[in-house]
Amino acid sequence: DGGITQSPKYLFRKEGQNVTLSCEQNLNHDAMYWYRQDPGQGLRLIYYSQIVNDFQKGDIAEGYSVSREKKESFPLTVTSAQKNPTAFYLCASTSYRDRVGYTFGSGTRLTVV
Amino acid sequence: AQSVTQLGSHVSVSEGALVLLRCNYSSSVPPYLFWYVQYPNQGLQLLLKYTTGATLVKGINGFEAEFKKSETSFHLTKPSAHMSDAAEYFCAVSDQHGDNYGQNFVFGPGTRLSVLP
Repeated sequence: DGGITQSPKYLFRKEGQNVTLSCEQNLNHDAMYWYRQDPGQGLRLIYYSQIVNDFQKGDIAEGYSVSREKKESFPLTVTSAQKNPTAFYLCASTSYRDRVGYTFGSGTRLTVV
Repeated sequence: AQSVTQLGSHVSVSEGALVLLRCNYSSSVPPYLFWYVQYPNQGLQLLLKYTTGATLVKGINGFEAEFKKSETSFHLTKPSAHMSDAAEYFCAVSDQHGDNYGQNFVFGPGTRLSVLP
């Protein structure tokens, strides 16, 4: 079955470390997105990519980086410059041609220890 | 620019009672509208969507929503709440005419639904 796979489900980061969250989709979707979710808050857009080798900053891109070398993959790196990285991270994708809604992954919970 | 408002960050209903979650949007063009549900520590799952055609849309788990253009609303309802409906619900809007379709997807702040026994 097609879908989006995020890994790992839980991730622990030490102060000063960079960590990378994986997001893979086999839906042949054009666009992919990373959102951050904090308790009691909605979704905040970190980065998005509409095509391979291109991506755009969202509302809260500082301290994060991404790459889009393959259509299927959109990894997110949380750098040491992100001062408050503890959150739930969601990856999503959509198809421009089909104009469907977003399909979401199951999320990665990142905790700073 | 599009925006979405959801009245009530937290709604409580008794089991078996009507569920009504409100969503209002602003958009300069006819939008695509969506409702998503999120259970704890999970991703968002599509409940239902309105694109064109019939304004009353039926989704999964017995939910439905009605697009009312004159009221710029897309409220979510379910006749009888079940304990398993307790979750966070997000309304979203997309500008279907935009060249960058995905870029124009806007989520509401969410409404947490509690179901009391």
